Amino acid sequence: DTAVSQTPKYLVTQMGNDKSIKCEQNLGHDTMYWYKQDSKKFLKIMFSYNNKELIINETVPNRFSPKSPDKAHLNLHINSLELGDSAVYFCASSQDWRSGGQETQYFGPGTRLLVL
Amino acid sequence: DAKTTQPTSMDCAEGRAANLPCNHSTISGNEYVYWYRQIHSQGPQYIIHGLKNNETNEMASLIITEDRKSSTLILPHATLRDTAVYYCIVRVWSNDMRFGAGTRLTVKP
Repeated sequence: DTAVSQTPKYLVTQMGNDKSIKCEQNLGHDTMYWYKQDSKKFLKIMFSYNNKELIINETVPNRFSPKSPDKAHLNLHINSLELGDSAVYFCASSQDWRSGGQETQYFGPGTRLLVL
Repeated sequence: DAKTTQPTSMDCAEGRAANLPCNHSTISGNEYVYWYRQIHSQGPQYIIHGLKNNETNEMASLIITEDRKSSTLILPHATLRDTAVYYCIVRVWSNDMRFGAGTRLTVKP
């Protein structure tokens, strides 16, 4: 039973296209996140949602639009894809970000996006 | 968030203890020390965390110095499957997870 799942696992697309990545968690958590890991392997937070409300938007281009239909899902829609968007995108969840230092994040398997 | 400093890479013999150091000299009193690892570009996996006291779980032990300026993650009996990038992170809130470059641990037969 996968705790945090993402679809698709791989995504190859042309520049200029619009694509979506889906994330679901079955842990009953209130907070979900999107991270981007670039070719240099640095992992950076992009967005954080708590119970469907946006908490963090880390200076991500507005071509990236997260959507949380309910607290178990956080999808990432990307418009007008660019070459530099090629990366691995990870979804994560945690109980509640306001719980302080005892919070643990659980990560999904990642979506490998390649923009040609 | 405090910055952390970790060695770029380390090797360890299979079956031996792997000791991964982390410096966090500017850590503040309410910041926890967390360790995650990432195997083969899979999603990062939580290992252990602590505030002041040493901690142990089924995966590892965490030793935090008394002044809290550094810590060591110990994998007591490293296996080949422990080969991964290990990240030391200090933070207060879970939405303040800032990953650095980590330490690439290679466990060798």
